[in-house]
Amino acid sequence: AQSVTQLDSQVPVFEEAPVELRCNYSSSVSVYLFWYVQYPNQGLQLLLKYLSGSTLVKGINGFEAEFNKSQTSFHLRKPSVHISDTAEYFCAVSEIIQGAQKLVFGQGTRLTINP
Amino acid sequence: DTAVSQTPKYLVTQMGNDKSIKCEQNLGHDTMYWYKQDSKKFLKIMFSYNNKELIINETVPNRFSPKSPDKAHLNLHINSLELGDSAVYFCASSQGTGPGGEQFFGPGTRLTVL
Repeated sequence: AQSVTQLDSQVPVFEEAPVELRCNYSSSVSVYLFWYVQYPNQGLQLLLKYLSGSTLVKGINGFEAEFNKSQTSFHLRKPSVHISDTAEYFCAVSEIIQGAQKLVFGQGTRLTINP
Repeated sequence: DTAVSQTPKYLVTQMGNDKSIKCEQNLGHDTMYWYKQDSKKFLKIMFSYNNKELIINETVPNRFSPKSPDKAHLNLHINSLELGDSAVYFCASSQGTGPGGEQFFGPGTRLTVL
């Protein structure tokens, strides 16, 4: 079974500073990776995903992530954060179980933006 | 015009009771899911349905019984509620069952068992 580890449970940063949220996955032949964001008291929303092709993936709200096969990582970055980016961020890997997609989530990283 | 909706948003009940959570999606998707998010924010899949058929059951206790009357609805009934069932339950939907599909999540139902 696939697994995902998010190395930081909390990341505090100042507004307009860059941020990196780290994610490592268990190795597999084919890997499909996602980053979802959960704003306070809301459901999850897709930020970006890697299926194949270019290892640099751009998503919504200025976020991007880089797929690194040799390091089995899929870190999320943003060059300049805003207060509105305060949320919980989840890295996930997709696997096929009984012909169906199953998302396996990491533990989440709480991003707190300080003014 | 909410894509994935859940009712109720909050549910407070006593141990031993039976309760249901309803989910509806208007995206025309054929696959729906139930997830449980615990107090530490850990999110885990419980069930997945495709075209009203159960395809994933992640060793969830028999007290949990999902039902899909049609492709747009997936309800979750919980019998004999226990303290450990307290969590936020999310419904989600996607088109197809491929590994690269995006799942769209509802706003969640916060269940508190006293």
